Order: sequence, then structure tokens, then C-alpha cells
Amino acid sequence: DGGITQSPKYLFRKEGQNVTLSCEQNLNHDAMYWYRQDPGQGLRLIYYSQIVNDFQKGDIAEGYSVSREKKESFPLTVTSAQKNPTAFYLCASRGRNRGQDTGELFFGEGSRLTVL
Amino acid sequence: KQEVTQIPAALSVPEGENLVLNCSFTDSAIYNLQWFRQDPGKGLTSLLLIQSSQREQTSGRLNASLDKSSGRSTLYIAASQPGDSATYLCAAHNNAGNMLTFGGGTRLMVKP
Repeated sequence: DGGITQSPKYLFRKEGQNVTLSCEQNLNHDAMYWYRQDPGQGLRLIYYSQIVNDFQKGDIAEGYSVSREKKESFPLTVTSAQKNPTAFYLCASRGRNRGQDTGELFFGEGSRLTVL
Repeated sequence: KQEVTQIPAALSVPEGENLVLNCSFTDSAIYNLQWFRQDPGKGLTSLLLIQSSQREQTSGRLNASLDKSSGRSTLYIAASQPGDSATYLCAAHNNAGNMLTFGGGTRLMVKP
């Protein structure tokens, strides 16, 4: 089935460690996004990529890094520079219909990161 | 900068009621507006997408309207069921189509 797969679903990290969250899609979408969700707050954009080998910072990029070497994959690294990394992380891609950008976002099931 | 607000933050209704969730946005120059459903601990499921040139979209018991001039969208749920209990989020896509701004969500509980 087509969709967006995030892994791991749960991740625990010690302070000072970098961790990488995986996001893979087989929808043939060009644009992909990473959002962070905290209790009582809306989703906030970390990074987005509109095409392979290109990505842009969102509203809260500090302490995070991404790469987009393949169309299907958009991994997010949470570095030790991120002061408050405990959160729910969501990956998304933007849909196309018959080659046209529909502007509709589709999300994965999320990864919950807890810093111990 | 676009700001999206959802009111109420939480809503509890008895089964069978028709209900309306509200979403307002400050910048009317949007590409589209999208409604999502989120169950606890899960990702977001797309419910309805309204393009900027459209006034409404319908899917089953759901109907979403868009009034760009007033900066408002509503999600109407007919004959609510306990399975509709979830958090509903709206999000406005900017005119360039590359960034989505989310509201804080409305947490809905439908009681049997």
C-alpha cells in the first residue's frame, strides 16, 4: 500500500546524543515536511524539502538537521544542540494528482522522542 | 505571518447531535485549507481539502466551508457518533503552496 512510514515509533535518548528519525514515502511526492507537536500547542514546521537535494528551514529549525538525497526519504536528525527535544515528530508529503500539485498533505504515524 | 485559531478548544456532545467546528485565519491569501483528524498518539488523517477557489467540500457526514473574505472555515459533522471522538485540526496553506500553518485543534468527545 502507498503511504508514509516513520520509524521508530518510540525512541529514548540520553542528553547529549544525536538521534535520527526516518521518514520514507512511496507516493512519488516531491515535497516533504517535518513537524513537531507538543501538548497544548499546534504543529510547528521544522524543515521542508520541495525537491531532491534541496531543503528549507521552517519556524523552529535550530538544533535539527535534514537531508534529501532520495525522493523517497527525508530523515530528520535531532542534535544535542536542541534544548528541548522531547516531543512528537510528524513527517508529511504533499500530494499530486495526474502530475498536478494538489496541495494536500499526507502524514505518517509519527515518532515519539523522549529525552531521559 | 499567518495565524490560525480554532474555537472551541474542546467540545463534548451527546451522540446524534449535529455540530460545527470553527477555524479562523488572519491572512486571506491562502492556497487552500485542509481539515485533519488526529486520534491520540497517532498521525494526522486528511479529511477535506478546500482549494482557495472553492466554497465547500463534502465527504460523507462531513462538510467543510471556506469564506476567504472573512478568514473563516467551518467543519460540519452531521449525526455525530462516538467514533468521531478525536482532535480536529485545520491548516491554511500559504499562497506559494509550500507552508502550512496549523490551528491548535478542537478536541471532540461524542458521548454514547
